[in-house]
Amino acid sequence: AQSVTQLGSHVSVSEGALVLLRCNYSSSVPPYLFWYVQYPNQGLQLLLKYTTGATLVKGINGFEAEFKKSETSFHLTKPSAHMSDAAEYFCAVSGKNTGFQKLVFGTGTRLLVSP
Amino acid sequence: GAGVSQSPRYKVAKRGQDVALRCDPISGHVSLFWYQQALGQGPEFLTYFQNEAQLDKSGLPSDRFFAERPEGSVSTLKIQRTQQEDSAVYLCASSLDRGPENIQYFGAGTRLSVL
Repeated sequence: AQSVTQLGSHVSVSEGALVLLRCNYSSSVPPYLFWYVQYPNQGLQLLLKYTTGATLVKGINGFEAEFKKSETSFHLTKPSAHMSDAAEYFCAVSGKNTGFQKLVFGTGTRLLVSP
Repeated sequence: GAGVSQSPRYKVAKRGQDVALRCDPISGHVSLFWYQQALGQGPEFLTYFQNEAQLDKSGLPSDRFFAERPEGSVSTLKIQRTQQEDSAVYLCASSLDRGPENIQYFGAGTRLSVL
């Protein structure tokens, strides 16, 4: 079965520092890959997705992620953290190995940003 | 409406009570999903509709859970004889078309607390 691993349940950075949130997936077939952000008491909002084509994907709010097939990874980065980036981030996959339509999520990483 | 709407936002139920959670997807969206998000966890798939057809209900945890989408738009998730382990946030998502590459748009969720 498809699974997603997010290393680190909490990541703390200072404002202006690099943000790196890790995501690895297990699949014999490259899946479709997504990053979602969840603010308190809100639903999930899509940051970016990878389906095919260019492996470096740019999303909203200055985030980007790179699909590395050899490492089965899809890490999320942002060059300079802002206080408003503090939230819960979820990596998710879909595709043939997930039962096709549904998203399979990681357990999430809470990003804490200090001034 | 502009987004996926869920009601009620909060529901407190006594153990053994039946509850019904409503989801209004984005108008015209073919696919509708229900997910369950336990505290501190990522969302987990419950069931999937394509129009009015329930094509995947593999994630429903027991026969106490039932979902319907009779006219291919609004959906209801019903939980019979609620148990404490049913306490979670229930998220609804919709997407414009079939296919795992399509973006799923999430509602804010219904937080169910079973006492």
